[in-house]
Amino acid sequence: DIQMTQSPSTLSASVGDRVTITCRASQSISSWLAWYQQKPGKAPKLLIYKASTLESGVPSRFSGSGSGTEFTLTISSLQPDDFATYYCQQYNSYSWTFGQGTKVEIK
Amino acid sequence: QVQLQESGPGLVKPSETLSLTCTVSGGSITSYYWSWIRQPPGKGLEWIGYIYYSGSTNYNPSLKSRVTISVDTSKNQFSLKLSSVTAADTAVYYCAREGYYDSSGYYVHDAFDIWGQGTMVTVSS
Repeated sequence: DIQMTQSPSTLSASVGDRVTITCRASQSISSWLAWYQQKPGKAPKLLIYKASTLESGVPSRFSGSGSGTEFTLTISSLQPDDFATYYCQQYNSYSWTFGQGTKVEIK
Repeated sequence: QVQLQESGPGLVKPSETLSLTCTVSGGSITSYYWSWIRQPPGKGLEWIGYIYYSGSTNYNPSLKSRVTISVDTSKNQFSLKLSSVTAADTAVYYCAREGYYDSSGYYVHDAFDIWGQGTMVTVSS
């Protein structure tokens, strides 16, 4: 199984800050990496797929990069609606695994 | 637009079988892959397994011995059965659509783009 490790687990930031979350895979997954945002009591929402492709309707302040084993999600200017938990997810050989999540809190 | 809705009992006794159904509305269940994903309270997400409209399946190895996913194309539904449940199976269960067709018409497995709202299942006597 491919393991996904996110860092940090919790991040405190202010509105307007540039925020970066990292996700590392236990082996190469090429660019098969997605990012989700989840708010309490809600289903996850797809933000980015194929490492850097923005899902339709997602604000351009979200961006993704990376390939192989190291990936990042960047929020260029944090907005009040962005305080949430973020998960990375990999796909490999008809199997999917998620990172443990990064909670973005108000500083 | 396509919407998903989970349904089923919210309480299951230990050692019994958890059964959930996901109804697809606003589109056809055919031509896509459909998954079940769960999230224990306060924890992360775990992929359970998928089904293709043809009936082809694949399961998370950690759950494979207890999971069965089936599809009913006439009802635009797919279902999850998880046997011999314990308290560790208490979670919010989500159904989701996975993948997309690229410009050449090939199916690309990648991410889960449409999710149901989730249903909480508690395992308790």
